[in-house]
Amino acid sequence: RKEVEQDPGPFNVPEGATVAFNCTYSNSASQSFFWYRQDCRKEPKLLMSVYSSGNEDGRFTAQLNRASQYISLLIRDSKLSDSATYLCVVRGTSGTYKYIFGTGTRLKVLA
Amino acid sequence: GAVVSQHPSWVICKSGTSVKIECRSLDFQATTMFWYRQFPKQSLMLMATSNEGSKATYEQGVEKDKFLINHASLTLSTLTVTSAHPEDSSFYICSARDLGRVSGELFFGEGSRLTVL
Repeated sequence: RKEVEQDPGPFNVPEGATVAFNCTYSNSASQSFFWYRQDCRKEPKLLMSVYSSGNEDGRFTAQLNRASQYISLLIRDSKLSDSATYLCVVRGTSGTYKYIFGTGTRLKVLA
Repeated sequence: GAVVSQHPSWVICKSGTSVKIECRSLDFQATTMFWYRQFPKQSLMLMATSNEGSKATYEQGVEKDKFLINHASLTLSTLTVTSAHPEDSSFYICSARDLGRVSGELFFGEGSRLTVL
């Protein structure tokens, strides 16, 4: 089993749609969780950190479920510019700064 | 946010040559930097963790003598691909964590696209 798993997609959605991605992780002691966005042939950029209580940033909402060991990302009112690959990143246990990346979920927002 | 700069962005070289990639943290000190490699349509794979003033920690399957890492200062890490071959062609990305931030996110350089002919 991979340490961090994501559905690779692609998710093709119309503009204005709501779309959700899940990411599961295998290490129950993982400490930190992030969603990054990566555009084609570019470096990943932080979209948002994921907190235990859940957090929202504009149209984006992230949730963490420690019991089931998954994090989620919800995008409301999708824009064409949201088309990208969304990477789930999990940081290792205390004492190590190893960050594990999921394979990414590709999103295409269609006009 | 914190800035990590990587250079060069693109490099094309002949098989057998060595290529050096630099990664700099511009507005923070980074005792640890991470080097990743990404092949087309695949995720980032951690190659090694670069530690300032000490040896890098390599992931399983990554050849130390092939990918030389030097972290000589708190703001600079270099990756040298020695005797590069076409199979080394990839997107190499460095990242660092700003320890002054509680949030713990990684900041990435712009990446270096290596093509070995």
